[in-house]
This record gives sequence, C-alpha cells and structure tokens, in this order.
Amino acid sequence: AQSVTQLDSQVPVFEEAPVELRCNYSSSVSVYLFWYVQYPNQGLQLLLKYLSGSTLVKGINGFEAEFNKSQTSFHLRKPSVHISDTAEYFCAVSAGSGTYKYIFGTGTRLKVLA
Amino acid sequence: ETGVTQSPTHLIKTRGQQVTLRCSSQSGHNTVSWYQQALGQGPQFIFQYYREEENGRGNFPPRFSGLQFPNYSSELNVNALELDDSALYLCASSLGPSTQNTEAFFGQGTRLTVV
Repeated sequence: AQSVTQLDSQVPVFEEAPVELRCNYSSSVSVYLFWYVQYPNQGLQLLLKYLSGSTLVKGINGFEAEFNKSQTSFHLRKPSVHISDTAEYFCAVSAGSGTYKYIFGTGTRLKVLA
Repeated sequence: ETGVTQSPTHLIKTRGQQVTLRCSSQSGHNTVSWYQQALGQGPQFIFQYYREEENGRGNFPPRFSGLQFPNYSSELNVNALELDDSALYLCASSLGPSTQNTEAFFGQGTRLTVV
C-alpha cells in the first residue's frame, strides 16, 4: 500500500522569501507523484507531476519539485513567494495497480506574510 | 470548454437521511472520480466511474454509491447519513482512468453538513 506524509501542517513565510514544502511517500512499487494546490473555497488545481525521467520537475506559478528515490521524497519549492500563493498544498501519490486514484497527504497550509 | 461543476455547493442534512450530490464533467471527459475531504484532512478516494462502469473503489461502506450517465455526468449517493459524513465532497473528471496518462480536473466541491 502507498502512503504520503506531509509533516508540516502550516508554513508561514514572508513575501519574496523562498519556501520548501516537504512530502515523503511510502511505496513498494514505482510511483507517480503530484502536487496540488487548493485556494479557499475552490477545488484542487494541479501544480506539477512526476511520472518518469528528469527528477527535477517544473510546474505552474514558478513552483518546482525534486523526486528523490533514495529518500522517498518529493519536496515542493519556490524561490520567491507572493501573497497570492497563500493556500493549502497537497502532495499525492499514485502507484501500482491503483493508478486510477490519488492518495493524498494531509496538506500543508502556506501562509505568506507581508 | 466548461469546467467541472458540482451541485449543490452546500447542504445540511439530518442523521439517517439520504443525499445525492451531482457532478458535471468537463467537456470530452469520460471518467469521474469522487473524493471525500474531511475538515483538516486530505481528500480520500471514494470511487471512480469510467464509461458508466465503476472502475475502482476506496475504503467506503456500501451506503456510498454512485452512477455515471451516458453524458458522463455523475451522482454520488449516500444513505443513512452519519455525523462523520460531514465533509467537502470533490468530483474530478479526466479524459481517462489512469493518473499517468491524464490530468484530473476538480470541481469546487459540495460542502455537506450532517446534524
């Protein structure tokens, strides 16, 4: 079975500072990894995904993530955040015979401070 | 093209009642997945419908059931509501059932409160 751990429930950061949101996964088979963002009162929007190939993945809104198989991690980074990045961020995994579904972490609330 | 729309946006039900939530998939999408997002938690997979057939189911009891119609819209039905069913229910549509090949587009969700 697969699982996702997002250790940081909340991350406060000042505007224009860099940020890293941590995600670790557990799986006995090869995985596909995703980051989704959820703005208040909205559904989920895909930021980026790793399926195969280059371990550094670039997404929308200046976000990027690096797949690290040895550390079973897929941390999300942005070099300079904006107030508008304030939202809930979810890491998700899909793997094995269950690639029809996402298994989400509990989310990290990013709060960008002026 | 229109996005994924869910109705209603909010509703309040009494314990023991039944509820039906609706989802209109994005144009051209033949797959709909439903997720339950409890407060402070990540979404949990309920089930997926692909071309009107159930294609996978999560760890939810049989009182959670669904349908997909020929136009690929979908319904989620929950019988015998319990207080723990209070959550945001998200619908996602995609061009196919695999996360590898297609992107899932999520609706804004239906906020269900059971009292």
